[in-house]
Amino acid sequence: QQQVKQSPQSLIVQKGGIPIINCAYENTAFDYFPWYQQFPGKGPALLIAIRPDVSEKKEGRFTISFNKSAKQFSLHIMDSQPGDSATYFCAAPNAGNMLTFGGGTRLMVKP
Amino acid sequence: ETGVTQTPRHLVMGMTNKKSLKCEQHLGHNAMYWYKQSAKKPLELMFVYSLEERVENNSVPSRFSPECPNSSHLFLHLHTLQPEDSALYLCASSQVHRGAGELFFGEGSRLTVL
Repeated sequence: QQQVKQSPQSLIVQKGGIPIINCAYENTAFDYFPWYQQFPGKGPALLIAIRPDVSEKKEGRFTISFNKSAKQFSLHIMDSQPGDSATYFCAAPNAGNMLTFGGGTRLMVKP
Repeated sequence: ETGVTQTPRHLVMGMTNKKSLKCEQHLGHNAMYWYKQSAKKPLELMFVYSLEERVENNSVPSRFSPECPNSSHLFLHLHTLQPEDSALYLCASSQVHRGAGELFFGEGSRLTVL
C-alpha cells in the first residue's frame, strides 16, 4: 500500500522566508503529485500539482520540485506571508490510482 | 465556497446513538468520497462512490455505513461509535474517481463521541 512520508510536521518561519516541505513516496501508478492547503475550519483545497514530464512547476510564489529517481518532491513558498499559515498536504497516487496523502505540515509564518 | 456542503458542521453523540452526516455537491461530479481526518494520522480515505456505486471501502468498521442515493448526495450513517472515532469527517467530490483529478472538499463535520 502506498505510503507518503511528509516532513517536517510543523514549521515556523519569519515573513519573507522560504519554507520547504518535503515528501517521499514508494511507488506510483502514474505521475501526478498535488499539494493541498488547509486553513483552520476549512477543508483542504488544491494548491498546485505537477505531472512530471518536468522537474519543476511554479505558480506564483509556490514551486514544486520533483526528483523522480529519488521518489521525492517538495513544495517551496517564496516570500512567505502570514496569510500562508496553514496545513499543507502532499499526495501521490496509489496502485489503485487514488490519492494517498502525507501526514501534513503545519506552517506558521510570523509577521 | 467549494461547491461541496456538509451538515452538520459539529456533532456530539454518545456511543449508543445513531446519527448521520450529510454531504451535497453542486459541481456535477460523478465521484464522491468520505475521508477521516484525526490529529495524529494522515487523511484517511474511507469510502468512494462513482456514479452511485461504491468502488472503495478501506477496511472501515461496520459501525460506519455510507449511502449514496444519487450522484449529488452522500451520507455517512453512524451507530455505536467509539471515542476513538472522534475526528473531522470530510466529504469530497471529483469528476472521476481515478486518475489525476482535483478533489473538492467540504468544510467537514467535526464529530465528538462521548
